[in-house]
Amino acid sequence: IAGITQAPTSQILAAGRRMTLRCTQDMRHNAMYWYRQDLGLGLRLIHYSNTAGTTGKGEVPDGYSVSRANTDDFPLTLASAVPSQTSVYFCASSSGASNEQFFGPGTRLTVL
Amino acid sequence: GQNIDQPTEMTATEGAIVQINCTYQTSGFNGLFWYQQHAGEAPTFLSYNVLDGLEEKGRFSSFLSRSKGYSYLLLKELQMKDSASYLCAVRDSDYKLSFGAGTTVTVRA
Repeated sequence: IAGITQAPTSQILAAGRRMTLRCTQDMRHNAMYWYRQDLGLGLRLIHYSNTAGTTGKGEVPDGYSVSRANTDDFPLTLASAVPSQTSVYFCASSSGASNEQFFGPGTRLTVL
Repeated sequence: GQNIDQPTEMTATEGAIVQINCTYQTSGFNGLFWYQQHAGEAPTFLSYNVLDGLEEKGRFSSFLSRSKGYSYLLLKELQMKDSASYLCAVRDSDYKLSFGAGTTVTVRA
């Protein structure tokens, strides 16, 4: 692994199903983030974690949950998917020493 | 919260200069970022300003005026590969980023 990875790359999901998007980084960054990107709205923060064991709510947290059991992994769970959660989801990470957030390649999710 | 405004689209000719403006209203300011995003790809970091003034990095420069809530990204000697979306983002005191909707720049031959 080099940098930050996300899985799956894309997914089509029936409404009402549970789905977990995976995010893993090998840069030992303290902070991790989940964004969704929708046309005309830009990137919006869903949840974040400043360090392992802690999480916080972003701008659009409803319908999503996260956990941060260790430094490397930051999964995002949709407990019961709805069509409005159709979006491209990006995971990102940053370290305290850097101002830059590094983004994963994204997951394209379609909820039907 | 943050309110970030940038133009939706801009078009320029190869070799020319384009300036993308970004205005923001913020409840807590801790830096302004510019990211580049090619279609279908992840955003990548371009620049960071926390103090007033101009930061130059090769063909790209970024300017910040905190008192005016204003920044711009200047792209010089445009190349076809510069066709992309450019995202302005403001960081708050909790180190969270808020993004503008992005400016799509199209470079024409």
